[in-house]
This record gives sequence, C-alpha cells and structure tokens, in this order.
Amino acid sequence: KQEVTQIPAALSVPEGENLVLNCSFTDSAIYNLQWFRQDPGKGLTSLLLIQSSQREQTSGRLNASLDKSSGRSTLYIAASQPGDSATYLCALLSGGGADGLTFGKGTHLIIQP
Amino acid sequence: EAGVAQSPRYKIIEKRQSVAFWCNPISGHATLYWYQQILGQGPKLLIQFQNNGVVDDSQLPKDRFSAERLKGVDSTLKIQPAKLEDSAVYLCASQRGIDTLHFGNGTRLTVT
Repeated sequence: KQEVTQIPAALSVPEGENLVLNCSFTDSAIYNLQWFRQDPGKGLTSLLLIQSSQREQTSGRLNASLDKSSGRSTLYIAASQPGDSATYLCALLSGGGADGLTFGKGTHLIIQP
Repeated sequence: EAGVAQSPRYKIIEKRQSVAFWCNPISGHATLYWYQQILGQGPKLLIQFQNNGVVDDSQLPKDRFSAERLKGVDSTLKIQPAKLEDSAVYLCASQRGIDTLHFGNGTRLTVT
C-alpha cells in the first residue's frame, strides 16, 4: 500500500525567500506524481504533474522534481510571495493509473509580508 | 470550461441523521472520484467511478456510505446514519483519461 509523507508539516518564511517542500513515498511503482495547492475552504488546484518517465516539471516560479529510485519529490518555490500562502499537497497515482490518487497530509505554508 | 460543481457548500446534522451530497463533473470527464478530507489530513479516496461503473470502493464504509452515478454524469454520495467521525470536507473530482484531476470546492459536513 502506497504511503506518502510530506515534510515539513508547516513552514513560515519571509517574503522573497526561495523554499523547498518535500514529499516521500514508499512504492516507486507510480504512474505519475502531482503537486496541488489548497486554499482555505477551497478545493484543490493542480500545480504540476510529473509523469513517471520524467524527472522534473516547471511552471513559472515553481519547479517540481521526481526521483523514483529514492522515493522522493521536491517542490521548489522561487521568490516567494504572500499569495503563495496555502497548503501544498503531494499526490501519487499508482496501480497503472487505475487506483486513484494517494495524498500526503500536506505542508501548510505561510509567507510573511 | 465550467469547473466541478458541488452542493451543498456546508451541512450541519446530528449524529444518526442522513445526508446527501451532489456533484456535477466537468462535461466529458468519464472518471469521477469522491474523497473525504478530515481536518489536517490529506484527502482519502472513498470511491472512483468510470462512467456509471464503480472502479474502486475499497475504502468506502459500505455499512453507512453509498454513492451512485446513474447516467454516468452527476453523482450523489449519501451517509446514513452519520457518525461524529464523519465530520469532514467531501471533495468531488473529475478526470478525462489520465489527465490531472479537477476538484470541486467541496461540501463541509459537521456532525454534532
């Protein structure tokens, strides 16, 4: 059974800093990995999707990496802004894509103005 | 394109009562998911539909939870009777093929 762990559980940094969120998983037989953002009282918004054959994806100030052999992914946020404050969730699609996403508990991020 | 629609937005019930949630996925999305998100946790998959068929309901507490997607479009999730530990946000998501999932804003259920 796939287990997903996100570290740290919470993070508070001053505006402008670069930061890294971590995600680890136990079963490397994944189909893809996604990073989501969740704002209070809202659903989840997909940020980046990395296919199993890829090593990284970039979108604007966000860069996500995937290392299946070590069971790790990182989400790098450059030049953080107060609007980046949210909970960031890592999720994996396993079982050939038929099993639905398995989520971590998330990292609650606060960017101080 | 319109997003995933869910209703109601909030619901407060007493334990042992019943409740139903509704989801309208994005048009053309064959796969529909219901997730339960307890405060401070990541979403947990309850049930996955492909069109109107169930793909995975292994984590659905079938003694009290039921879900249907009769015409392969809208879906309803029902809890009867509700327990205190069912207090959570219930998220619906839809997907086309193996593209990314699109989530609704969820229904926040409080059981007192």
